Amino acid sequence: ELKVEQNPLFLSMQEGKNYTIYCNYSTTSDRLYWYRQDPGKSLESLFVLLSNGAVKQEGRLMASLDTKARLSTLHITAAVHDLSATYFCAVLPQGGSEKLVFGKGTKLTVNP
Amino acid sequence: DAMVIQNPRYQVTQFGKPVTLSCSQTLNHNVMYWYQQKSSQAPKLLFHYYDKDFNNEADTPDNFQSRRPNTSFCFLDIRSPGLGDAAMYLCATSRTPGQGETQYFGPGTRLLVL
Repeated sequence: ELKVEQNPLFLSMQEGKNYTIYCNYSTTSDRLYWYRQDPGKSLESLFVLLSNGAVKQEGRLMASLDTKARLSTLHITAAVHDLSATYFCAVLPQGGSEKLVFGKGTKLTVNP
Repeated sequence: DAMVIQNPRYQVTQFGKPVTLSCSQTLNHNVMYWYQQKSSQAPKLLFHYYDKDFNNEADTPDNFQSRRPNTSFCFLDIRSPGLGDAAMYLCATSRTPGQGETQYFGPGTRLLVL
């Protein structure tokens, strides 16, 4: 059974600082997604990573995928308050399954 | 704009009183999903439709049913809501199954059970 672990679960950081959120998964997959969720809102798709070594960047966020290590990272550069949200990684198992398996989420708070 | 729409956004029901949540999409996607998300937890897949083919998750309670009368609409029926069913219910769509395409989420319906 596929398990997805995110670290840390809670992250409080100052504006202007850098930090990385980690997402490990337990079985083979080459489809990994990052979503953002604001309090009381739905999930917004940030990145889709489809192959080993994939790197995608949008603004202050950069996501990467290492399928051999079964690890994805979401790197935050020079954080701003607007990035405060919960970030989920989600993994689609190989074999045609449609069941996205989510990590528990990382609640990010960026303080002035 | 193409999108995923959920109605109502907030639903209050009584313990044991059936409730139906609605999802519609203008993306013309083949796959529609229903997720349950409880407070401070990750979304949990209840079931999904690929066209008219219904796929139930093994651990989805029998209390939860779904209907997809056409490509655009999908309904979640909770036959006898319990207090533990209070949650945000998220509908999502994707274009093609098995291809790892992005799932697009609707705004969610927050269900309160009294």
